[in-house]
Amino acid sequence: ETGVTQSPTHLIKTRGQQVTLRCSSQSGHNTVSWYQQALGQGPQFIFQYYREEENGRGNFPPRFSGLQFPNYSSELNVNALELDDSALYLCASSLAQRFGGSYNEQFFGPGTRLTVL
Amino acid sequence: DAKTTQPTSMDCAEGRAANLPCNHSTISGNEYVYWYRQIHSQGPQYIIHGLKNNETNEMASLIITEDRKSSTLILPHATLRDTAVYYCIVMYSTLTFGKGTMLLVSP
Repeated sequence: ETGVTQSPTHLIKTRGQQVTLRCSSQSGHNTVSWYQQALGQGPQFIFQYYREEENGRGNFPPRFSGLQFPNYSSELNVNALELDDSALYLCASSLAQRFGGSYNEQFFGPGTRLTVL
Repeated sequence: DAKTTQPTSMDCAEGRAANLPCNHSTISGNEYVYWYRQIHSQGPQYIIHGLKNNETNEMASLIITEDRKSSTLILPHATLRDTAVYYCIVMYSTLTFGKGTMLLVSP
């Protein structure tokens, strides 16, 4: 089975621009979660998608948005980029039954390193 | 989700057991204890999780105290490849990572 993949690996943008990051889930997984990891910090939960619907959100502004497609791949979109958005963005997939219910381990991709200048 | 407290860093000699503690005194009855680790420049990797009982898998053992207010992750025979940041997470629905414990395994 293939693992979680993310693209691109690295990205450089300027303040005010928009960015789209992509994630392909592990085969058979129906849930995708996105995290932001600043340098020296632990990953911070952005949001989760379960069967194409947002299914939980962390403390991030609306300019962070996402999509999950019928094949369970996902996109993270960030509008109006700010310098503080520079971070490693991690995607994780899992096979979840329902939000808040039985939990299965999350499989993380290698991340996309975003630099905002 | 309940908050966790972990030491900032720990050292361990290769081949010895690494015991990583975690305090989670505000854990509620339906929250699980999870451990993930993150090797430099990689995404986090799931290790183990438990609710009340001690758990063991091919990677590690998880010991949860009877009152569930603390737990210990045990790597029975640490290797150099176990050098990583280890995160203890208490959750019901989403993962909330703290800063974790930086475990350095030395020859």
